[in-house]
Order: sequence, then C-alpha cells, then structure tokens
Amino acid sequence: QVQLVESGGGVVQPGRSLRLSCAASGFIFSDYAMQWVRQAPGKGLEWVAVISYDGSSKYYADSVKGRFTISRDNSKNTVYLHMNSLKTEDTSVYFCAKSTSASWKGPGADSWGQGTLVTVSS
Amino acid sequence: SYVLTQPPSVSVAPGKTARITCGGNNIGDKSVHWYQQKPGQAPVLIISYDYDRPSGIPERFSGSNSGNTATLTITRVEAGDEADYYCQVWDSSSEHYVFGTGTKVTVL
Repeated sequence: QVQLVESGGGVVQPGRSLRLSCAASGFIFSDYAMQWVRQAPGKGLEWVAVISYDGSSKYYADSVKGRFTISRDNSKNTVYLHMNSLKTEDTSVYFCAKSTSASWKGPGADSWGQGTLVTVSS
Repeated sequence: SYVLTQPPSVSVAPGKTARITCGGNNIGDKSVHWYQQKPGQAPVLIISYDYDRPSGIPERFSGSNSGNTATLTITRVEAGDEADYYCQVWDSSSEHYVFGTGTKVTVL
C-alpha cells in the first residue's frame, strides 16, 4: 500500500534553514506529481508547493516563493522541501501528498503522510 | 489571488443530510477536490474532479459544481462524519493550488 513518511521537522530559529524529506513507497514514485501542504496550529490547510513527476516543473505559494524549494530524487523515491529564511509564521505541520496522476496542474492528492511539525521560534 | 469561501461550521442530526458549500468566482469552470480531516489526522481525499469518489469512499458522499458554488453533500450522516472538510482547486491563472477556508461538521 502507499506510504509517505515525512521527516526533518523540529525547532529552528527565525532566519535559519531546514530540509524536510518525504520517503515514498508502495507505488511507482516517478509516475506521480507530489505536493507539500502545511497546517498551522488550529488553522486550515495551506498549499505550499507542487513538483512534476520528473522534477522539471515546480510551483509555489506566494507566501514561500523565493524562500522554499521543492525537489525530488526519483532514484530514492523521495521528495524534499528546502526551507530558507524561516519565519515564525512558517510554524506548521508539513504534509507531503501524492497527486492522483503525473499532472501537476489540477489533480487532487489521494495519499498523505502523517506530517512533520516545524516550529520557528527564538 | 483566487479565493475559496466555505461556511465555518455546519451542524446536522444523525441520519440527515449535510451540505457544505465552496464559493469561488466561476468555480464551475474549475475542477474541485474535497478532503475530510479528523483531529490529529492527515486529510483524506473524498471527492475528486467535482464528483468522483475514490475507492473506499462511501456513496453517502457526493459532489457537484456549477456557477460560483461547489457543494459537498453527505447523506445519512453518521457520528463518524464529524470532521473538518476542505475544498481545493487548481487556479490556472496564478498556477497555484488553493484550499477553501474549511468547514467543521458537527453531528448533533
């Protein structure tokens, strides 16, 4: 069965960097686009970024563009979120999610990880 | 940027029907996905492309989309349906995914 396991979360000071990883199994990873979605404590879902099946196309929410970078290594079945210049408002649970197809413009996400908490605080 | 508006809360008695709306400018021209999220859990896709139910999702869940409103309908509501529900679209103008504000469904 599909499994997505996020890691890399923790407590970090404002202005510092962090890299999240999401290890995928149970499906042909290179056939699907992948998303990162976050949820601040007690708040709703916020889309963060999406990457195409082959890594050639990437799109970002305005709130993270220029600071966050999504990437993937299809040989390792892993998608990453590199987060730079972190702000207190980036404090959230970060979920990785598998799109329902190779397309990165439109499909929903049919499998999600359990999430990893990132806390940005001095 | 594209905005999706949902009612903050919907209350429904067991066995009755709950309708959750997702409003957006000409949302009928977009494909809408719906997610259910229970406390402490990851979201679950319950409706994709306006009305398609993924495998394992009960027929009690259905979706529609027209004009400026998409609707998630839950018939014969059960206690286990108590959760937060979110709509999502891809906005081709901004090349962003957008989530709705979320609706908390309470089963009375």
